[in-house]
Formats: sequence, C-alpha cells, structure tokens
Amino acid sequence: GAVVSQHPSRVICKSGTSVKIECRSLDFQATTMFWYRQFPKQSLMLMATSNEGSKATYEQGVEKDKFLINHASLTLSTLTVTSAHPEDSSFYICSARVGDQPQHFGDGTRLSIL
Amino acid sequence: GEDVEQSLFLSVREGDSSVINCTYTDSSSTYLYWYKQEPGAGLQLLTYIFSNMDMKQDQRLTVLLNKKDKHLSLRIADTQTGDSAIYFCAEKKDQAGTALIFGKGTTLSVSS
Repeated sequence: GAVVSQHPSRVICKSGTSVKIECRSLDFQATTMFWYRQFPKQSLMLMATSNEGSKATYEQGVEKDKFLINHASLTLSTLTVTSAHPEDSSFYICSARVGDQPQHFGDGTRLSIL
Repeated sequence: GEDVEQSLFLSVREGDSSVINCTYTDSSSTYLYWYKQEPGAGLQLLTYIFSNMDMKQDQRLTVLLNKKDKHLSLRIADTQTGDSAIYFCAEKKDQAGTALIFGKGTTLSVSS
C-alpha cells in the first residue's frame, strides 16, 4: 500500500518551455502533498506544501509564479515549471501523506532544460 | 536551528553490519524517519520511530534513539550489496507540523 506515482520520470526540453509534473497517490487519499527539489549529492529541499482544495504554501525563496502547484483532488497534485531555464534543471520529487502518517515519495522527475 | 547532520559516506563489506548515525537539533521532534534512495529514484520509507521510543527493530533494521543527545542511528544487519544507496535521516517537528527536515544523506557502499 501507500504508492505514489510521479510522471514523467524524465523530461528534456528547450529553454522557455513550461513543464508539468504529476503526482498521484494510487491507493490512498492524500490530505497533503509536498514538492521537493534535489540537487546532485544534496539533500531534499522542500519547495511547497499542498493541501487539496487550497492554495499551496511555498517555502521562502521559491517563486510561486515560477512553480505553479495545483492540488485539484485528494489523489492528484501537479507542479508546473513555467518558462523553464537551465538553472531549473534538477530532480523534482513529490510526496503524499494522510493525516499524521509518514510521507510516501514518488520516484522523482529528472528535468533537464537545454 | 533546524539542522539534521549525517556523515556523508560509509563503506562496509557484504555480511557486516552497517551503522548510520544522525544528529538533530530540535527537541520537539515527534517522529524521526529513515529513508533510502537508490540512484535516480525517489525516497523509500524504511522505518520511523516515535520520540517516546528508544529502540525499534524491523527485520534487519534496528533504530536507536537517544533523545537526550538528539542522536538517531540505523543499524543494518548482514548488509547486502542491494543495500548500497543513500540513506536520509529526517525529523518532523510536531504533530501539527507538516514538513520533514532532511539530513544531507549518507552514501552506503557495500563491497562483496
């Protein structure tokens, strides 16, 4: 149980493109979803916390107009990187949680902007 | 502060025990977690411990918590080559808190 699916796993696109990443909880309804960013050989940096039906809460330094988060249902959250540039290249990971239970993570999306 | 500290590398031989250590700074943490990350993949929850516990064992995994010293360890018995990965320690501040605070991860290398 507690499977989180993240899609796509890998994206390569040109600078200026907008990219949407999906995060789904497959066998449970997630009250909260999180979006993280991970640089090579670094820890996970929390970008935003998303509760179904409400606006995401962004961490300090994360541009909400750059990283659009939509949490339309209890099983789906999306992260859209708008007008992506090479510095946005990174590994993006989502996680989902029910209530106070542990977070379960997706397999991540490797985003490469040329 | 909100730092979670881990040693960066650990190298062991197959069959030996591995001990990965972690220190945290926030005494109000209620849950402490160990996650495993294989190359190019997301994080897999290995185990977690509630702050009022001293020890938790789950098959080959043993978690020890020293709340006084804010020290957490993960012991992997009979380490296998498939255990090679990055191991992240994480803390959650309180029951109402939402985010996990991660350490930088310990890269475990297991040689045969």
